[in-house]
Amino acid sequence: RKEVEQDPGPFNVPEGATVAFNCTYSNSASQSFFWYRQDCRKEPKLLMSVYSSGNEDGRFTAQLNRASQYISLLIRDSKLSDSATYLCVVNMGSGNTPLVFGKGTRLSVIA
Amino acid sequence: DAEITQSPRHKITETGRQVTLACHQTWNHNNMFWYRQDLGHGLRLIHYSYGVQDTNKGEVSDGYSVSRSNTEDLPLTLESAASSQTSVYFCASSDSPVENEQYFGPGTRLTVT
Repeated sequence: RKEVEQDPGPFNVPEGATVAFNCTYSNSASQSFFWYRQDCRKEPKLLMSVYSSGNEDGRFTAQLNRASQYISLLIRDSKLSDSATYLCVVNMGSGNTPLVFGKGTRLSVIA
Repeated sequence: DAEITQSPRHKITETGRQVTLACHQTWNHNNMFWYRQDLGHGLRLIHYSYGVQDTNKGEVSDGYSVSRSNTEDLPLTLESAASSQTSVYFCASSDSPVENEQYFGPGTRLTVT
């Protein structure tokens, strides 16, 4: 089983739609979870951290389900500018273990 | 403003040549990382460092080396470039603890002919 798995997409959605991505991770001891955004030919940038209680930042909501070992990202009222690849990122253990990046889910928001 | 820079941004080299990619950060972060990104593989960790004189191998370290002589820099060296090392290379840094958010440089596009 791959450590961090994502549906590669692409997800093609109209402006204003709600879209959700899931990501599963293999290590139940994982402690830190993030969603990064990567625009075409650009570097990844942190979109939001994912906390156990879930968190919301404007149109974006992230959830963590430890029992099922997945995290989700919900985007409401999609904008054209949301078109990007969304990377699920997990710290797979305790102590000094680097972050593991999923391969990303590509989103295209269409006018 | 603090930042992380990479140079060169684009590089074309020939098979067998030694190539060094530079990474410089001004955040005074302890942790620095090198990744390569290829279609179908996502970001793969090459080498990383948790501080001066510390280096560790990542998932795809064969053919690459790094050294950490100061906090700001982690140069990546391809000992003998191969066509399979054609890729986009990203450097990143983070503050301790290691699982904190990583800040990425703009990337270096390397082509090995």
